[in-house]
Amino acid sequence: SQQGEEDPQALSIQEGENATMNCSYKTSINNLQWYRQNSGRGLVHLILIRSNEREKHSGRLRVTLDTSKKSSSLLITASRAADTASYFCATDSDSWGKLQFGAGTQVVVTP
Amino acid sequence: GAVVSQHPSWVICKSGTSVKIECRSLDFQATTMFWYRQFPKQSLMLMATSNEGSKATYEQGVEKDKFLINHASLTLSTLTVTSAHPEDSSFYICSALRLAGVVSGLETQYFGPGTRLLVL
Repeated sequence: SQQGEEDPQALSIQEGENATMNCSYKTSINNLQWYRQNSGRGLVHLILIRSNEREKHSGRLRVTLDTSKKSSSLLITASRAADTASYFCATDSDSWGKLQFGAGTQVVVTP
Repeated sequence: GAVVSQHPSWVICKSGTSVKIECRSLDFQATTMFWYRQFPKQSLMLMATSNEGSKATYEQGVEKDKFLINHASLTLSTLTVTSAHPEDSSFYICSALRLAGVVSGLETQYFGPGTRLLVL
């Protein structure tokens, strides 16, 4: 079963704008990860944030984690057309690698 | 970087036949692999955890006799969809867990490119 919800379900922005998407989950976690999936393709790991971390950066990506609210956000700054994809959060709750994925946010970046 | 391959990338079969999908970790050993399925415009649903040398662990609602998993080596797990029916048509994705010593909760999963199954 899915761990939680993501919002928005879909996001359409222009190149250069920032894209923010949110993820909520239900149980305690060891870490939360964000993945990108281009249409009909496999998943690409973007970033992992541990449960004791609050914010993490990787290039144009910024992830926050609020364990008290059981939520996370992914910010993509200065978006590019190549960022068009579906973005999924996934939580690891049992230390053995099992991931529960959120519903995903479909991002479309227009030139 | 770590690479996981899947074969075949897509398959079309007749209803009632069995289909085998392979998942390989190409440059690392994976004692644990996971199988997911994804319906169009939906998220990934974990089907089972595949452990090398032992029986797979299936998620609730997944028929183990329908989806046979064999993790025969540290680099290969196979998923066989037995007696496939049109409702089994989906995108099947595997992932491999790359361990760096003791399990710490920080391991990264590496995903295969997926296998698209269409059952006619």
